[in-house]
Amino acid sequence: DSGVTQTPKHLITATGQRVTLRCSPRSGDLSVYWYQQSLDQGLQFLIQYYNGEERAKGNILERFSAQQFPDLHSELNLSSLELGDSALYFCASSVGVTGVTGELFFGEGSRLTVL
Amino acid sequence: GQNIDQPTEMTATEGAIVQINCTYQTSGFNGLFWYQQHAGEAPTFLSYNVLDGLEEKGRFSSFLSRSKGYSYLLLKELQMKDSASYLCAVMDSNYQLIWGAGTKLIIKP
Repeated sequence: DSGVTQTPKHLITATGQRVTLRCSPRSGDLSVYWYQQSLDQGLQFLIQYYNGEERAKGNILERFSAQQFPDLHSELNLSSLELGDSALYFCASSVGVTGVTGELFFGEGSRLTVL
Repeated sequence: GQNIDQPTEMTATEGAIVQINCTYQTSGFNGLFWYQQHAGEAPTFLSYNVLDGLEEKGRFSSFLSRSKGYSYLLLKELQMKDSASYLCAVMDSNYQLIWGAGTKLIIKP
């Protein structure tokens, strides 16, 4: 157990819909990262927050948005969903901007299926 | 641009040794990481190298050569449970992690 909690674990929805994925980082971790992993693909970095502020942005679509709240939990909002958005969405956390050694602790992921 | 290359897939035999290579070209270097990811599961941290040389941790070892932009992960005494994808990631000068696409390791009895 990494200490990172993601909900929901599984989500099935239709094209055009909007969903919200939630992540609670490990206790004491200030950084939250979101990654997308499509079937048999590598990890695609979406966005990072540090202590409530956006720290870095990757290949995140305009239809996607995220935020980190004062209690440090984070939400990833995906709107106008398309079939290609079906993927595993991972949240990860670290102590600092990158952590002492940069080690990230990953949640179990939210599997999104768009029909 | 920034780039990390690793083989897409490798096959090895139970009990044997396998070496997974990773080459990188990044804007600066602040460390290289190896993660293991079983299918459908979260990646888990294996090793971190920031200085040249070999880091050994049980059956797993990781090597780094910064001058060559090269690392490898060495897995000894392979077990069936080692069947997984192995992800190489480099921390660049902005302390951002650049990820390779991963190497799928298949272990055969």
